Amino acid sequence: AQKVTQAQTEISVVEKEDVTLDCVYETRDTTYYLFWYKQPPSGELVFLIRRNSFDEQNEISGRYSWNFQKSTSSFNFTITASQVVDSAVYFCALSENNFNKFYFGSGTKLNVKP
Amino acid sequence: DTEVTQTPKHLVMGMTNKKSLKCEQHMGHRAMYWYKQKAKKPPELMFVYSYEKLSINESVPSRFSPECPNSSLLNLHLHALQPEDSALYLCASSQGGGAGNTGELFFGEGSRLTVL
Repeated sequence: AQKVTQAQTEISVVEKEDVTLDCVYETRDTTYYLFWYKQPPSGELVFLIRRNSFDEQNEISGRYSWNFQKSTSSFNFTITASQVVDSAVYFCALSENNFNKFYFGSGTKLNVKP
Repeated sequence: DTEVTQTPKHLVMGMTNKKSLKCEQHMGHRAMYWYKQKAKKPPELMFVYSYEKLSINESVPSRFSPECPNSSLLNLHLHALQPEDSALYLCASSQGGGAGNTGELFFGEGSRLTVL
């Protein structure tokens, strides 16, 4: 069965600190997709990144970077030089090959203080 | 701005009322979803429509009735709800099945429902 675990319920950092959000997943599928979404207080979930199970290259997008390691079933997300606008709940999610079902982790609430 | 539009943003209803939540997208997506999200919890899948046909119903009580009039619209009809149904209801869309589908869900801002 598919499962996504985000062990960090809430993290507080001071602006400009780096922060890493952890995500560990379980699946028996050989083909799967991993996602990160950001949910600000407004409620809308904003897509950040998608990774398929065959692509273990790490990715950097501005201050955001992602580390995908199949050996440890982890897909961690790092924000460099955090800003107050990064404050939100971040969800890691796993999808089956047909994308019909997304298995969300419980979310990590990030508080970035000025 | 989100490309998935949900109305109303807020809804308060009594247990005997009938109301509807509406969702619209104009990205040409062929899959649309309803999720329910309680406070401090992840979204929970309720329904999936693929090419305007209901493909997944996650054992949702019949007091929630989805409808997909066309590929751009998705409704959720509400009747005889219970106070525990109070939650944020999120609509999402994705490209749908087939080659080239990148899978990501595009979410609306949600409809915050309170059942009295």
